[in-house]
Amino acid sequence: AQKVTQAQTEISVVEKEDVTLDCVYETRDTTYYLFWYKQPPSGELVFLIRRNSFDEQNEISGRYSWNFQKSTSSFNFTITASQVVDSAVYFCALSEALGNKLVFGAGTILRVKS
Amino acid sequence: NAGVTQTPKFQVLKTGQSMTLQCAQDMNHEYMSWYRQDPGMGLRLIHYSVGAGITDQGEVPNGYNVSRSTTEDFPLRLLSAAPSQTSVYFCASSYGAASGGETQYFGPGTRLLVL
Repeated sequence: AQKVTQAQTEISVVEKEDVTLDCVYETRDTTYYLFWYKQPPSGELVFLIRRNSFDEQNEISGRYSWNFQKSTSSFNFTITASQVVDSAVYFCALSEALGNKLVFGAGTILRVKS
Repeated sequence: NAGVTQTPKFQVLKTGQSMTLQCAQDMNHEYMSWYRQDPGMGLRLIHYSVGAGITDQGEVPNGYNVSRSTTEDFPLRLLSAAPSQTSVYFCASSYGAASGGETQYFGPGTRLLVL
């Protein structure tokens, strides 16, 4: 069975600090997809990134970067120079090879204080 | 494009009442799904559909019904509401699921309180 673990329930940082959100997944599939979503206080779910299991290249998008390591079954998310607007709940999710059923982690609450 | 829309935004029900949560998308997506979000549990899949006329159960389907008569609409029905169904409900859609792993786009959510 597929499973996503986000062990950090809540993280608090001060603005401009770097912060890493951990995501560990379990799957028997050799082909799978990993996602990160952001849920700001307004409640909507915002797609951030999608990565397939064959692409282990790290990705950087502005202040956001993602580190995918199949050897440790991890897909961690780093925010550099955090800002108050980054305060949100962040979800990591896993999808199997066929179909689009998403398995979500429990989420990590990020609080960025000014 | 309006994307994925959901109505109502908020609803209060009494135990035993029925209601339908509406979901529509205007992106011609084949795949649509319903999730519920509960504190500390992330989102869990209730039902999904890979196209008009085709639906299937997700992880937590009990107490919910769905149908998909058109590509655009995917309503979720609660036949007899229970307090355990108090949650935030999200509808999502994506392109076809044949190749797997398509990015799903979520609606704004419906907050449901069952008394």
